[in-house]
Amino acid sequence: RKEVEQDPGPFNVPEGATVAFNCTYSNSASQSFFWYRQDCRKEPKLLMSVYSSGNEDGRFTAQLNRASQYISLLIRDSKLSDSATYLCVVNRQGSNYQLIWGAGTKLIIKP
Amino acid sequence: DVKVTQSSRYLVKRTGEKVFLECVQDMDHENMFWYRQDPGLGLRLIYFSYDVKMKEKGDIPEGYSVSREKKERFSLILESASTNQTSMYLCASSGGATGFDFGSGTQLSVL
Repeated sequence: RKEVEQDPGPFNVPEGATVAFNCTYSNSASQSFFWYRQDCRKEPKLLMSVYSSGNEDGRFTAQLNRASQYISLLIRDSKLSDSATYLCVVNRQGSNYQLIWGAGTKLIIKP
Repeated sequence: DVKVTQSSRYLVKRTGEKVFLECVQDMDHENMFWYRQDPGLGLRLIYFSYDVKMKEKGDIPEGYSVSREKKERFSLILESASTNQTSMYLCASSGGATGFDFGSGTQLSVL
């Protein structure tokens, strides 16, 4: 089993819709969780950290479910510019700096 | 904003050549990382460094070495490039546990 697993997609979603995707992780001792966004042929950029109580940043909501070991990202009122690959990232046990990266979920927003 | 600069955006080398990939960050971060990214796989950690002259192996160090003689510069070296090292190479810098900032990447092709 991969340490961090994501549905590769692509998720094809009409503009204005709400879309959500999950990421599962295998190490129950992980403490740090992030969502990164990566545009085609570009470097990953931090979208948001994921906190235990869940957190929101504008149209984006991230949640953590420790019992089931997954994190989720919800995007409301999706825009064409949200089209990208979303990477789930989890810290390796015992380290704040060693991160384990999911392969990403590709999201395509259609007009 | 953190600026992480990688020396080349695209690089084409021949099998057996020695290859240097340079990365410079301008925010006085202690932690620097080299990853490679291949289609369908998450970012995989090659080497990282917590301080000048300090280096630690990541998940896939074979065939690579690194150098950190100055705090702002972290170099990745392919001693004898092979075709299976064709990949996107990403350098990252971090000042803490809240996320990484990446360079724009070097797409290396080994022929």
